[in-house]
Amino acid sequence: DGGITQSPKYLFRKEGQNVTLSCEQNLNHDAMYWYRQDPGQGLRLIYYSQIVNDFQKGDIAEGYSVSREKKESFPLTVTSAQKNPTAFYLCASQWSNQPQHFGDGTRLSIL
Amino acid sequence: GQQVMQIPQYQHVQEGEDFTTYCNSSTTLSNIQWYKQRPGGHPVFLIQLVKSGEVKKQKRLTFQFGEAKKNSSLHITATQTTDVGTYFCAGLSGGYQKVTFGTGTKLQVIP
Repeated sequence: DGGITQSPKYLFRKEGQNVTLSCEQNLNHDAMYWYRQDPGQGLRLIYYSQIVNDFQKGDIAEGYSVSREKKESFPLTVTSAQKNPTAFYLCASQWSNQPQHFGDGTRLSIL
Repeated sequence: GQQVMQIPQYQHVQEGEDFTTYCNSSTTLSNIQWYKQRPGGHPVFLIQLVKSGEVKKQKRLTFQFGEAKKNSSLHITATQTTDVGTYFCAGLSGGYQKVTFGTGTKLQVIP
């Protein structure tokens, strides 16, 4: 979707390293979400934020952290505590109960 | 917490055959959304259903929302190779809350 940008498209992490995935939206949406998708699997919610400076844990928050200092930005940090980080990460934004708009995703792999 | 299950998990059909995926929620939903994810891509919004018993059509796709607002279905008539992908339902409960995605149904169409 044109209004939400994720970067980088591909990312490699070394053992013990924290990495941060970027998600920016210009849709003026209040809510933003991070999902993890493993091969052939569905979307699992990591964290979500409904308003600036506030966020809640999703179903699989362990080993991840987020911040929401600006409405447009919702970066996700994959910490060294996440022992199996290899996956496809999707960021989405939403206004009220309207459809979610997704970014193109980031594929994270372990070196 | 809220759970949304989809069946089947996988479906292979011959081109021209029909296809149906079913979505069941553990709780009553305020509305339901359907998304399609092409291989390697991100989920793209298809449609939203709000009313009990609602039926909507998009060309060969027919979407239904159950009377109790706890289940939904997507039916594709005369599948084409362009229908290949994973179809997700997503349930919304109450007002401005997090969306719960279903487990997805992966459709393969054999030419």
